[in-house]
Amino acid sequence: AQRVTQPEKLLSVFKGAPVELKCNYSYSGSPELFWYVQYSRQRLQLLLRHISRESIKGFTADLNKGETSFHLKKPFAQEEDSAMYYCALRTGGFKTIFGAGTRLFVKA
Amino acid sequence: GAVVSQHPSWVICKSGTSVKIECRSLDFQATTMFWYRQFPKQSLMLMATSNEGSKATYEQGVEKDKFLINHASLTLSTLTVTSAHPEDSSFYICSAGGYRDKNIQYFGAGTRLSVL
Repeated sequence: AQRVTQPEKLLSVFKGAPVELKCNYSYSGSPELFWYVQYSRQRLQLLLRHISRESIKGFTADLNKGETSFHLKKPFAQEEDSAMYYCALRTGGFKTIFGAGTRLFVKA
Repeated sequence: GAVVSQHPSWVICKSGTSVKIECRSLDFQATTMFWYRQFPKQSLMLMATSNEGSKATYEQGVEKDKFLINHASLTLSTLTVTSAHPEDSSFYICSAGGYRDKNIQYFGAGTRLSVL
């Protein structure tokens, strides 16, 4: 079965603290994974994808096929990082499955 | 670049009427568009994949006759909720792929449908 699991609905951290948003996936093929972000009153937008292997706004995510995970990390959280984060798995035919989302709240 | 416009942003209708939602890619040609439904505090649920010039591919459990999708051009896809009922009230979001990289989706702002 194709599935994306984000175990935390809400993650609250203090400004400057490290943050890790967890994502696990289930897919029999070769996975392509993404993190999308939705800031308050804005539309969903791409944050990063695993094949790019780049850091966006200080966030990184490494695909771990052994653990079937694609956790999103940032060493020092900022208040402007507060948003809803969705992990997504692209399957065949460009179809994308989204996790339930994790709301990140960065406290001052 | 890669702007997706969705209209209307909010619609209220009476039970039994039909509602059309438009999704336009403003500055690129979208070979594929997707329609999602999002319930409060839940994730996006893919309803159907719309390819220009061909029939949409619906996900399991989504009624084709209830949710009519038309993708007549490379910049426009429409979702028509036919004979809407209160249980159809939801947030509907479209996305488009095809701008430089087909694997990346660009999202519309969503349409909130309230059926009275």
